[in-house]
Amino acid sequence: DAKTTQPTSMDCAEGRAANLPCNHSTISGNEYVYWYRQIHSQGPQYIIHGLKNNETNEMASLIITEDRKSSTLILPHATLRDTAVYYCIVRPIQGAQKLVFGQGTRLTINP
Amino acid sequence: DTAVSQTPKYLVTQMGNDKSIKCEQNLGHDTMYWYKQDSKKFLKIMFSYNNKELIINETVPNRFSPKSPDKAHLNLHINSLELGDSAVYFCASSPFSGRGHEQFFGPGTRLTVL
Repeated sequence: DAKTTQPTSMDCAEGRAANLPCNHSTISGNEYVYWYRQIHSQGPQYIIHGLKNNETNEMASLIITEDRKSSTLILPHATLRDTAVYYCIVRPIQGAQKLVFGQGTRLTINP
Repeated sequence: DTAVSQTPKYLVTQMGNDKSIKCEQNLGHDTMYWYKQDSKKFLKIMFSYNNKELIINETVPNRFSPKSPDKAHLNLHINSLELGDSAVYFCASSPFSGRGHEQFFGPGTRLTVL
């Protein structure tokens, strides 16, 4: 079972920042937080991951709370192509590297 | 160039048949995976191979048999297909098992069992 909870759906206006929350209250110290997204009919796509510190790459920023029990994925300037299902996943640093997907958040970017 | 490719993209077959789905990655990765996405859109891991060795085998019926002829290929053979096998199957690869590396997914194979 997934160790994360996310809102089922969210809407965001094009050009605005999309902030997607995720709760992972049972996360342990040796687990990463990963974000993937799945655009309709495509394979999941990696976005970003982090352990304790906030992270930023060309796609998004990841803000992890100090207690690590929740995180927020930020798409700074959402476009229509960002419409997708976004998955927040907790994953061990070591060991078998399977991804356990939950229901994800269906993000719709509106023009 | 396609990083992770799967063939076929669509597969329609009758119950009871045997079919295979092929996956190839040209990323030089050590580890490959098969995931299944059912009609409710839940994605679940089925198998994982690291350097041709099986390392993850979730609760999957024996009718499903993965085969890795080399570390760039992981094929999925399914015997005696059932209606419930209808789903989208995704292959993925990652550079190293045991570390926090991202997985790269293929485009998926939509299997329909009639």
